[in-house]
Amino acid sequence: DGGITQSPKYLFRKEGQNVTLSCEQNLNHDAMYWYRQDPGQGLRLIYYSQIVNDFQKGDIAEGYSVSREKKESFPLTVTSAQKNPTAFYLCASSMYSSGPYNEQFFGPGTRLTVL
Amino acid sequence: GQQLNQSPQSMFIQEGEDVSMNCTSSSIFNTWLWYKQDPGEGPVLLIALYKAGELTSNGRLTAQFGITRKDSFLNISASIPSDVGIYFCAGQLRTYSGGGADGLTFGKGTHLIIQP
Repeated sequence: DGGITQSPKYLFRKEGQNVTLSCEQNLNHDAMYWYRQDPGQGLRLIYYSQIVNDFQKGDIAEGYSVSREKKESFPLTVTSAQKNPTAFYLCASSMYSSGPYNEQFFGPGTRLTVL
Repeated sequence: GQQLNQSPQSMFIQEGEDVSMNCTSSSIFNTWLWYKQDPGEGPVLLIALYKAGELTSNGRLTAQFGITRKDSFLNISASIPSDVGIYFCAGQLRTYSGGGADGLTFGKGTHLIIQP
C-alpha cells in the first residue's frame, strides 16, 4: 500500500525544546515538501526538496530545519527559534522534481502543540 | 509573493443543492489544483488542471482553468452529506526548463456545511 506517513499524529512539547516531525513516503517520488497550516488559513510552504541531499527554503522557513538523506524520508525539525510553533504540519510529495505535471499528495499531518 | 483569493469563505447549503466556489490570483499559474480536507486530516486531491480553458470533471465535481490563467472555479452538483469539509484551491507556476519543485500557493479555503 503506497502512501505518505507522518508520525506522530499529535505531539506536545515544552517551549524552548526542539522537536522533529517524521515524514516517510513509499511512492518513489522525487520531490517532498513541508507545509504549515494554522486555523482558518491555507497551507504555507516551509521547505521543499527536489532530490536527495538538496533542499530549498519556502515562504516561512525561519525557525525550521530539514534534511533529505534518503529519497523516502524528509524530517522537519521545529527549533526553539520558531516564535509560534503550535500548528498543523503537513508533508507532501510529488513524482517529478521538474516539468508541468506535478500533483502533490499529502500525508495525514502532525498536530504540534507547544506548552 | 503570489496571492490567492478564494471565495466564498463558507457556505451553508441544503443537501441536494449545487455548490460553486472560485479562486482568483494576482499572477498567472500553469497549474490549478483543487483539494478537499476533512478535519484533522491531510488534503486529498480532487481535480488537477493544466491548460488554460480546460474543463475537467470527476464524478459530481467539475473544475475549470480560467482563460486568463489567473482564476479557477469548482462546482459540486447535487451535494451529499459526505461533501462536507474544507475545499482549497492551489496554484503553481512551473516552467519546462530548469524545472524546480516549487511548492503550491494555497487559497484560505471554502468551508462547506450541508444541512440535511
